[in-house]
Amino acid sequence: NAGVMQNPRHLVRRRGQEARLRCSPMKGHSHVYWYRQLPEEGLKFMVYLQKENIIDESGMPKERFSAEFPKEGPSILRIQQVVRGDSAAYFCASSPMIKAGSSYNEQFFGPGTRLTVL
Amino acid sequence: RKEVEQDPGPFNVPEGATVAFNCTYSNSASQSFFWYRQDCRKEPKLLMSVYSSGNEDGRFTAQLNRASQYISLLIRDSKLSDSATYLCVVANQAGTALIFGKGTTLSVSS
Repeated sequence: NAGVMQNPRHLVRRRGQEARLRCSPMKGHSHVYWYRQLPEEGLKFMVYLQKENIIDESGMPKERFSAEFPKEGPSILRIQQVVRGDSAAYFCASSPMIKAGSSYNEQFFGPGTRLTVL
Repeated sequence: RKEVEQDPGPFNVPEGATVAFNCTYSNSASQSFFWYRQDCRKEPKLLMSVYSSGNEDGRFTAQLNRASQYISLLIRDSKLSDSATYLCVVANQAGTALIFGKGTTLSVSS
């Protein structure tokens, strides 16, 4: 059973370009989460999605960032008009359906995409 | 006050040493607590969950004190392979997002 897959692993963009980061959850997982880790910082939650639905986007910057998890295909984190401050490692995690009565389901992390903005 | 706070270290210890990491969290309603390990900014990997009664996994012991909002991790008989950054993690109330501390760096030397 393959783990969470992310691509590309490294992405270089110039200021003003768009960055698209892809995440394929583990087989059987229907929940996807995106986290960002800035240099010398801890991971910060960005967004939680289920198929075709954004459940919690409380950690997403208000502008330029969007996420989707379509019925078919990987989840996409899209950053428009990138700036140098967007340079970071972006980690995706997935979990199976949350069991009724459970307060938490373990999240399995992908290897991350390292975005460098020149 | 930060949601999850850790001493950043670094902790430099010889092989065989016992080392303890501490963490505090701000939301008293938090229900789920974990220690993750992160190597060289690779993906974080779950080391162990933390339960109110305390729990042990081999050389690793985790403790939770809800009254003090304090979590600890004890590593006994440190190995070179334990060198990593240890992340204190708390799930949000809905259980949908993980809140990470900045991590404590451990370096074990021979």
